[in-house]
Amino acid sequence: SQTIHQWPATLVQPVGSPLSLECTVEGTSNPNLYWYRQAAGRGLQLLFYSVGIGQISSEVPQNLSASRPQDRQFILSSKKLLLSDSGFYLCAWSVQSGPDQPQHFGDGTRLSIL
Amino acid sequence: EDKVVQSPLSLVVHEGDTVTLNCSYEVTNFRSLLWYKQEKKAPTFLFMLTSSGIEKKSGRLSSILDKKELSSILNITATQTGDSAIYLCAVFLTDSWGKLQFGAGTQVVVTP
Repeated sequence: SQTIHQWPATLVQPVGSPLSLECTVEGTSNPNLYWYRQAAGRGLQLLFYSVGIGQISSEVPQNLSASRPQDRQFILSSKKLLLSDSGFYLCAWSVQSGPDQPQHFGDGTRLSIL
Repeated sequence: EDKVVQSPLSLVVHEGDTVTLNCSYEVTNFRSLLWYKQEKKAPTFLFMLTSSGIEKKSGRLSSILDKKELSSILNITATQTGDSAIYLCAVFLTDSWGKLQFGAGTQVVVTP
């Protein structure tokens, strides 16, 4: 069966510091991969998605970037964090074959910027 | 602009009550609608609805889509404290790679 791992679970970082959040998927090949941010009491906002190694699309302009160095690895990064980057970050995957495949989420990283 | 609106934003019920959650959408070229349950961390997939009027059921949870009214409801019968969660509705948009537009969610609290 497929599993998705995200780490770390929580992170406290000072403003201006760099960021690297990692997500890996097991049990499937060539998945679609997604990064979302969830503000408190809000729905999920799509940040990035990827349909293959090295293929990244950005949904909103921001201080963050994403990379996919391996088929089942997705990384969210920042060179200099802002206060507004605080939030709950979720990674998700879906199969590529067929239309409208449900997305499956990792446990998320709660990021606090001080 | 594509929109997904959920109501109510939050509600508190007693164990054993029945809960009905609403999701309405305004999107170009609707494809399908999904429901997720989010407890403390990962949203977990509940249902995907594509056809109008066909109920999907899993235990005490059921959901139905009404394409004429551009909406869906999620019902939870005989609620338990374990049903306390945020319930998220999402709609697939027209792009082929599977972009989801999420609603803000409904927070459900079930008290003993």
